[in-house]
Amino acid sequence: QSVLTQPPSVSATPGQRVTISCSGSSSNIGNNYVSWYQQLPGTAPKLLIYDNNERPSGIPDRFSGSKSGTSATLGISGLQTGDEADYYCGTWDSSLSVWVFGGGTKLTVL
Amino acid sequence: QVQLQESGPGLVKPSETLALTCVVSNFSITIGYYWGWIRQPPGKGLEWIGNIYHRGSAYYNPSLESRVTLSVDTAKNQFSVKLSSVTAADTAVYYCARLVGGWGNEAFDIWGQGTMVTVSS
Repeated sequence: QSVLTQPPSVSATPGQRVTISCSGSSSNIGNNYVSWYQQLPGTAPKLLIYDNNERPSGIPDRFSGSKSGTSATLGISGLQTGDEADYYCGTWDSSLSVWVFGGGTKLTVL
Repeated sequence: QVQLQESGPGLVKPSETLALTCVVSNFSITIGYYWGWIRQPPGKGLEWIGNIYHRGSAYYNPSLESRVTLSVDTAKNQFSVKLSSVTAADTAVYYCARLVGGWGNEAFDIWGQGTMVTVSS
């Protein structure tokens, strides 16, 4: 049972936009910044979004992040088949004193 | 560019100690970041193990704290993890990563490729 709750799976067709939610509490998302990670099959996670909505150099602007209260959202527009991956949200939990990740969401591009 | 590479035994016997090292290339670990370990059991999600600063201060996942030790070797530009009394539940891919940002706004920006460790007799 993850501290951060993500939908197990989402799907969409190429070119569409999809959003992935990450729900937490005041001790984690509510008071700390959220980052998002993309894990392509058989590879290590890769940072997609940091500080709720900032993209590292090299990450296309098709990827966006937002936060409201105790929830965060990853948006991916102009979906491509190469976006099929597992996506994880992560942040620090100040009450548990632990870095927490969501359970992960598998994106399928039909 | 900055690269991280994990190394260590791929098979560890139950009750023994798992030991892995992460070598950092093209970046000095003494510059001032924290360095972390994260693991992923087969088919499951990510679990944070702990982070360590180049000066040696570390903090751990409370669920693993009694069994985990992180260390740094600045001369070799690497950091390590030891996990004692392992069981099959510790079977996972182990990743090392760099932690950037300040307290409360951190992120793991660079990851190693990961190394699979199986606990079995």
